[in-house]
Amino acid sequence: AQSVTQLDSQVPVFEEAPVELRCNYSSSVSVYLFWYVQYPNQGLQLLLKYLSGSTLVKGINGFEAEFNKSQTSFHLRKPSVHISDTAEYFCAVRSNFGNEKLTFGTGTRLTIIP
Amino acid sequence: DAGVTQSPTHLIKTRGQQVTLRCSPKSGHDTVSWYQQALGQGPQFIFQYYEEEERQRGNFPDRFSGHQFPNYSSELNVNALLLGDSALYLCASSFLWKETNTGELFFGEGSRLTVL
Repeated sequence: AQSVTQLDSQVPVFEEAPVELRCNYSSSVSVYLFWYVQYPNQGLQLLLKYLSGSTLVKGINGFEAEFNKSQTSFHLRKPSVHISDTAEYFCAVRSNFGNEKLTFGTGTRLTIIP
Repeated sequence: DAGVTQSPTHLIKTRGQQVTLRCSPKSGHDTVSWYQQALGQGPQFIFQYYEEEERQRGNFPDRFSGHQFPNYSSELNVNALLLGDSALYLCASSFLWKETNTGELFFGEGSRLTVL
């Protein structure tokens, strides 16, 4: 079984400032890792994913994340945020075997301050 | 290329009633999963369907049931609704087999169920 911890439930950031959203996971097997974004009253949209290979992955809208196996972390970063980045961000993990379920964290609400 | 579509987008029911939610997967996908997202929470896995059979199930009671049709579309049924069933229900589609599985799920915009 897997679990995901997103320690920060809310993160306020000034516009054009950098941001890091933290994600730690627990699993007894090898995993795939994901960040999804949810805008108000919408479904989930994939930001980026780590399947294998380079531990630094780049996604849409200027976001990137780094997989750290020793620290079991997959933190999301953006060097300069925009008002349009205001949303809920979910980290998720699944086993890399077959088509197993995604296990999500509780989410981090990112609020951009003008 | 149509993505994952869900219907209805919003609905209101009363306790004890039954509800059916519908999902059409992204073109070419063969697997459908359902998630429940309560207010302020992350999505929780309900179950997954492949080849018209339930392949995996999360920690949800038997009041939650589903179906997958030959065209890969799916339904989620919830019987004897409780207030706690109020949530956004998300459908996600994917390929089953690893060779064609890019890893991520593609989500619809959800059906928001309110139980009064």
